[in-house]
Amino acid sequence: AQSVTQLDSHVSVSEGTPVLLRCNYSSSYSPSLFWYVQHPNKGLQLLLKYTSAATLVKGINGFEAEFKKSETSFHLTKPSAHMSDAAEYFCVVTPTGGFKTIFGAGTRLFVKA
Amino acid sequence: GAGVSQSPRYKVTKRGQDVALRCDPISGHVSLYWYRQALGQGPEFLTYFNYEAQQDKSGLPNDRFSAERPEGSISTLTIQRTEQRDSAMYRCASSYGEDTDTQYFGPGTRLTVL
Repeated sequence: AQSVTQLDSHVSVSEGTPVLLRCNYSSSYSPSLFWYVQHPNKGLQLLLKYTSAATLVKGINGFEAEFKKSETSFHLTKPSAHMSDAAEYFCVVTPTGGFKTIFGAGTRLFVKA
Repeated sequence: GAGVSQSPRYKVTKRGQDVALRCDPISGHVSLYWYRQALGQGPEFLTYFNYEAQQDKSGLPNDRFSAERPEGSISTLTIQRTEQRDSAMYRCASSYGEDTDTQYFGPGTRLTVL
């Protein structure tokens, strides 16, 4: 069975400081992993995805994530937060060859001026 | 080109009524997904179509929920005899291929059951 755990429901950072949003997954098969972002009153947008190629994945807006199989983690990072990064972030897992996509509960990122 | 569209954007209905939610995927996208998102939670998988074939409906909560995609394009999610607990945001997504392809999400339909 698959599952996704986002370890923090809320994260607050100051503008210009690093961002770390944590995600752990459980999957019986080699998974594909994604991070999506949802801005207030807007739809879900893909930030980045891991599909068994390079373990360090770069996405849009300066975000990146590292797949660590030994730790079953796929944490999202950004070196310097911007006010426009304030949103809800979802870690997502899909098993390879499957389609039942599982979303985490989400982490709301607050960015202080 | 146009993204995924959903209609209506908002639906208010009375308990016991049937509702039909429509999803128009990106043209040429093979895969179509339906999700339900409760307030403060992540989207929850409901069902998946590959062309017109419903290949996974394991996320549909009960037999009041059904979905179809008869011509492999537009899809309809139908909820019969709605209940207050059905109130949520219903989201549709489409992707060009299968499994690992990026899913493109529509704006969602906010359903409120009174």
